[in-house]
Amino acid sequence: NAGVMQNPRHLVRRRGQEARLRCSPMKGHSHVYWYRQLPEEGLKFMVYLQKENIIDESGMPKERFSAEFPKEGPSILRIQQVVRGDSAAYFCASSPLGTGGQNYGYTFGSGTRLTVV
Amino acid sequence: AQSVTQLDSHVSVSEGTPVLLRCNYSSSYSPSLFWYVQHPNKGLQLLLKYTSAATLVKGINGFEAEFKKSETSFHLTKPSAHMSDAAEYFCVVSDRSGGANSKLTFGKGITLSVRP
Repeated sequence: NAGVMQNPRHLVRRRGQEARLRCSPMKGHSHVYWYRQLPEEGLKFMVYLQKENIIDESGMPKERFSAEFPKEGPSILRIQQVVRGDSAAYFCASSPLGTGGQNYGYTFGSGTRLTVV
Repeated sequence: AQSVTQLDSHVSVSEGTPVLLRCNYSSSYSPSLFWYVQHPNKGLQLLLKYTSAATLVKGINGFEAEFKKSETSFHLTKPSAHMSDAAEYFCVVSDRSGGANSKLTFGKGITLSVRP
Protein backbone atom coordinates (compact mmCIF):
# COMPACT_ATOMS: atom_id res chain seq x y z
CA ASN A 1 0.00 0.00 0.00
CA ALA A 2 1.86 3.03 -1.26
CA GLY A 3 1.87 6.08 0.95
CA VAL A 4 0.98 9.60 -0.10
CA MET A 5 2.79 10.26 -3.34
CA GLN A 6 3.89 13.73 -4.29
CA ASN A 7 5.63 14.78 -7.45
CA PRO A 8 7.83 16.25 -8.46
CA ARG A 9 10.16 16.08 -5.45
CA HIS A 10 11.98 19.19 -6.61
CA LEU A 11 10.69 21.89 -8.91
CA VAL A 12 12.54 24.93 -10.18
CA ARG A 13 10.60 27.74 -11.80
CA ARG A 14 11.53 31.18 -13.05
CA ARG A 15 9.61 34.16 -11.76
CA GLY A 16 6.35 34.51 -13.63
CA GLN A 17 6.02 30.85 -14.59
CA GLU A 18 3.39 28.45 -13.33
CA ALA A 19 4.03 25.66 -10.85
CA ARG A 20 1.90 22.53 -10.64
CA LEU A 21 2.31 20.23 -7.68
CA ARG A 22 0.63 16.85 -7.62
CA CYS A 23 -0.51 14.70 -4.75
CA SER A 24 -1.95 11.19 -4.87
CA PRO A 25 -3.48 10.23 -1.51
CA MET A 26 -3.13 6.84 0.10
CA LYS A 27 -5.44 4.18 -1.25
CA GLY A 28 -8.80 4.50 0.44
CA HIS A 29 -8.21 8.07 1.60
CA SER A 30 -10.63 10.66 0.30
CA HIS A 31 -9.47 13.74 2.22
CA VAL A 32 -6.46 15.73 1.05
CA TYR A 33 -4.73 18.60 2.83
CA TRP A 34 -2.01 20.90 1.54
CA TYR A 35 0.52 22.54 3.85
CA ARG A 36 3.39 24.92 3.13
CA GLN A 37 6.66 25.01 5.02
CA LEU A 38 8.67 28.16 4.72
CA PRO A 39 12.35 28.10 5.76
CA GLU A 40 12.84 27.96 9.54
CA GLU A 41 9.11 27.59 10.15
CA GLY A 42 6.58 24.90 10.86
CA LEU A 43 3.97 23.83 8.38
CA LYS A 44 1.06 26.14 7.68
CA PHE A 45 -2.33 24.88 6.56
CA MET A 46 -3.37 25.95 3.08
CA VAL A 47 -6.39 24.01 1.88
CA TYR A 48 -8.52 20.95 2.61
CA LEU A 49 -10.26 19.08 -0.20
CA GLN A 50 -12.45 16.10 -0.79
CA LYS A 51 -13.14 14.68 -4.21
CA GLU A 52 -14.49 17.51 -6.40
CA ASN A 53 -14.96 19.74 -3.36
CA ILE A 54 -12.94 22.42 -1.62
CA ILE A 55 -13.93 22.18 2.03
CA ASP A 56 -11.67 24.79 3.60
CA GLU A 57 -9.30 27.13 1.78
CA SER A 58 -8.80 29.58 4.62
CA GLY A 59 -5.02 29.20 4.43
CA MET A 60 -4.68 29.85 0.71
CA PRO A 61 -3.27 33.16 -0.50
CA LYS A 62 -6.02 35.17 -2.16
CA GLU A 63 -4.30 35.41 -5.51
CA ARG A 64 -2.34 33.11 -7.81
CA PHE A 65 -2.95 29.94 -5.75
CA SER A 66 -5.61 27.34 -6.52
CA ALA A 67 -6.22 23.71 -5.70
CA GLU A 68 -8.37 20.94 -7.02
CA PHE A 69 -9.06 17.29 -6.33
CA PRO A 70 -10.89 15.87 -9.34
CA LYS A 71 -13.01 12.76 -9.38
CA GLU A 72 -10.20 10.93 -11.14
CA GLY A 73 -6.51 11.59 -10.68
CA PRO A 74 -4.35 13.37 -8.15
CA SER A 75 -4.94 16.57 -6.28
CA ILE A 76 -3.22 19.55 -7.89
CA LEU A 77 -1.89 22.66 -6.20
CA ARG A 78 -1.36 25.33 -8.82
CA ILE A 79 0.64 28.50 -8.38
CA GLN A 80 0.44 31.02 -11.18
CA GLN A 81 3.06 33.69 -11.87
CA VAL A 82 5.39 32.44 -9.17
CA VAL A 83 7.49 34.87 -7.15
CA ARG A 84 10.60 34.24 -5.04
CA GLY A 85 8.51 34.27 -1.88
CA ASP A 86 6.70 31.14 -3.09
CA SER A 87 9.91 29.14 -2.62
CA ALA A 88 9.05 26.59 0.04
CA ALA A 89 8.35 22.94 0.67
CA TYR A 90 4.77 21.99 -0.05
CA PHE A 91 3.42 18.96 1.73
CA CYS A 92 0.29 17.00 1.07
CA ALA A 93 -1.46 14.82 3.64
CA SER A 94 -4.40 12.48 3.37
CA SER A 95 -6.80 10.82 5.76
CA PRO A 96 -9.62 8.34 5.45
CA LEU A 97 -13.24 9.27 4.92
CA GLY A 98 -15.04 10.40 8.04
CA THR A 99 -12.13 10.78 10.40
CA GLY A 100 -10.57 14.07 9.44
CA GLY A 101 -7.33 12.76 10.82
CA GLN A 102 -7.86 13.97 14.34
CA ASN A 103 -8.14 10.47 15.72
CA TYR A 104 -6.24 8.65 13.04
CA GLY A 105 -3.35 10.96 12.32
CA TYR A 106 -2.57 12.31 8.93
CA THR A 107 -0.21 10.58 6.50
CA PHE A 108 2.12 13.05 4.84
CA GLY A 109 3.91 12.80 1.55
CA SER A 110 7.60 13.58 1.14
CA GLY A 111 6.83 17.03 -0.17
CA THR A 112 7.67 19.09 -3.23
CA ARG A 113 10.45 21.61 -2.81
CA LEU A 114 9.75 24.58 -5.01
CA THR A 115 12.55 26.96 -5.84
CA VAL A 116 11.76 30.15 -7.72
CA VAL A 117 14.76 31.72 -9.43
CA ALA B 1 -8.45 29.11 17.94
CA GLN B 2 -5.52 26.87 18.67
CA SER B 3 -1.80 27.33 18.86
CA VAL B 4 1.38 25.48 19.71
CA THR B 5 4.46 26.87 21.41
CA GLN B 6 7.80 25.15 21.15
CA LEU B 7 10.01 27.46 23.19
CA ASP B 8 13.27 25.73 22.31
CA SER B 9 14.31 26.02 18.70
CA HIS B 10 17.41 23.87 19.15
CA VAL B 11 18.23 21.12 21.64
CA SER B 12 21.59 19.36 21.79
CA VAL B 13 22.21 16.17 23.78
CA SER B 14 24.93 13.55 24.00
CA GLU B 15 24.28 10.09 22.68
CA GLY B 16 22.88 7.88 25.41
CA THR B 17 21.46 10.74 27.48
CA PRO B 18 17.77 11.58 27.91
CA VAL B 19 15.87 13.75 25.47
CA LEU B 20 13.24 16.30 26.48
CA LEU B 21 11.48 18.36 23.81
CA ARG B 22 8.94 20.77 25.24
CA CYS B 23 5.56 21.66 23.83
CA ASN B 24 2.73 23.78 25.16
CA TYR B 25 -0.58 24.19 23.41
CA SER B 26 -3.78 26.17 23.58
CA SER B 27 -7.08 25.05 22.18
CA SER B 28 -10.68 26.08 22.54
CA TYR B 29 -11.80 22.49 22.45
CA SER B 30 -10.49 19.13 23.56
CA PRO B 31 -7.44 18.75 21.40
CA SER B 32 -5.76 15.90 19.66
CA LEU B 33 -2.00 16.25 19.89
CA PHE B 34 0.73 14.78 17.74
CA TRP B 35 4.48 14.73 17.46
CA TYR B 36 5.98 14.47 13.98
CA VAL B 37 9.63 14.03 13.05
CA GLN B 38 11.24 15.32 9.87
CA HIS B 39 14.65 14.14 8.79
CA PRO B 40 16.58 16.41 6.38
CA ASN B 41 14.89 16.65 2.98
CA LYS B 42 12.37 14.02 3.97
CA GLY B 43 8.66 14.00 4.64
CA LEU B 44 6.99 13.99 8.03
CA GLN B 45 6.68 10.84 10.07
CA LEU B 46 4.16 10.47 12.86
CA LEU B 47 5.90 9.60 16.14
CA LEU B 48 2.86 9.41 18.39
CA LYS B 49 -0.56 10.86 19.01
CA TYR B 50 -2.86 11.69 21.92
CA THR B 51 -6.59 11.46 21.28
CA SER B 52 -8.19 11.51 24.76
CA ALA B 53 -7.31 7.98 25.76
CA ALA B 54 -4.33 7.33 28.05
CA THR B 55 -2.45 10.49 28.97
CA LEU B 56 0.93 8.78 28.64
CA VAL B 57 1.40 7.95 24.99
CA LYS B 58 4.09 5.65 23.65
CA GLY B 59 5.31 6.09 20.12
CA ILE B 60 7.85 4.68 17.75
CA ASN B 61 11.62 4.54 18.27
CA GLY B 62 11.33 4.68 22.05
CA PHE B 63 9.68 8.09 22.25
CA GLU B 64 6.81 8.89 24.55
CA ALA B 65 4.82 11.95 25.55
CA GLU B 66 2.57 12.85 28.43
CA PHE B 67 -0.56 14.95 28.07
CA LYS B 68 -0.96 17.29 31.06
CA LYS B 69 -4.15 19.25 30.79
CA SER B 70 -3.44 21.38 33.87
CA GLU B 71 -0.16 22.52 32.36
CA THR B 72 -1.41 22.51 28.74
CA SER B 73 1.73 20.60 27.88
CA PHE B 74 2.63 17.61 25.73
CA HIS B 75 6.38 17.19 26.17
CA LEU B 76 8.24 14.53 24.17
CA THR B 77 10.82 12.37 25.92
CA LYS B 78 13.18 9.52 25.23
CA PRO B 79 15.37 7.82 27.86
CA SER B 80 18.46 7.47 25.69
CA ALA B 81 19.27 9.41 22.53
CA HIS B 82 20.66 7.76 19.41
CA MET B 83 22.57 9.46 16.64
CA SER B 84 19.71 8.62 14.28
CA ASP B 85 17.35 10.76 16.37
CA ALA B 86 18.94 13.93 15.03
CA ALA B 87 16.10 15.62 13.13
CA GLU B 88 13.44 18.31 13.31
CA TYR B 89 10.53 17.62 15.68
CA PHE B 90 7.13 19.26 15.39
CA CYS B 91 4.42 19.37 18.02
CA VAL B 92 1.01 19.57 16.41
CA VAL B 93 -2.50 20.23 17.70
CA SER B 94 -5.74 19.37 15.97
CA ASP B 95 -8.99 20.95 16.96
CA ARG B 96 -11.44 18.11 17.16
CA SER B 97 -14.45 20.34 17.28
CA GLY B 98 -14.75 20.42 13.53
CA GLY B 99 -14.90 16.66 13.12
CA ALA B 100 -13.76 15.79 9.64
CA ASN B 101 -12.84 19.41 9.01
CA SER B 102 -10.13 19.55 11.64
CA LYS B 103 -6.93 21.27 10.64
CA LEU B 104 -3.49 20.76 12.06
CA THR B 105 -1.62 23.63 13.69
CA PHE B 106 2.13 23.13 13.81
CA GLY B 107 4.69 24.51 16.19
CA LYS B 108 7.81 26.05 14.69
CA GLY B 109 9.80 22.91 15.33
CA ILE B 110 12.80 21.88 17.42
CA THR B 111 16.07 20.84 15.85
CA LEU B 112 17.55 17.99 17.87
CA SER B 113 21.29 17.47 17.60
CA VAL B 114 22.94 14.38 19.07
CA ARG B 115 26.64 14.53 19.95
CA PRO B 116 28.75 11.36 19.84
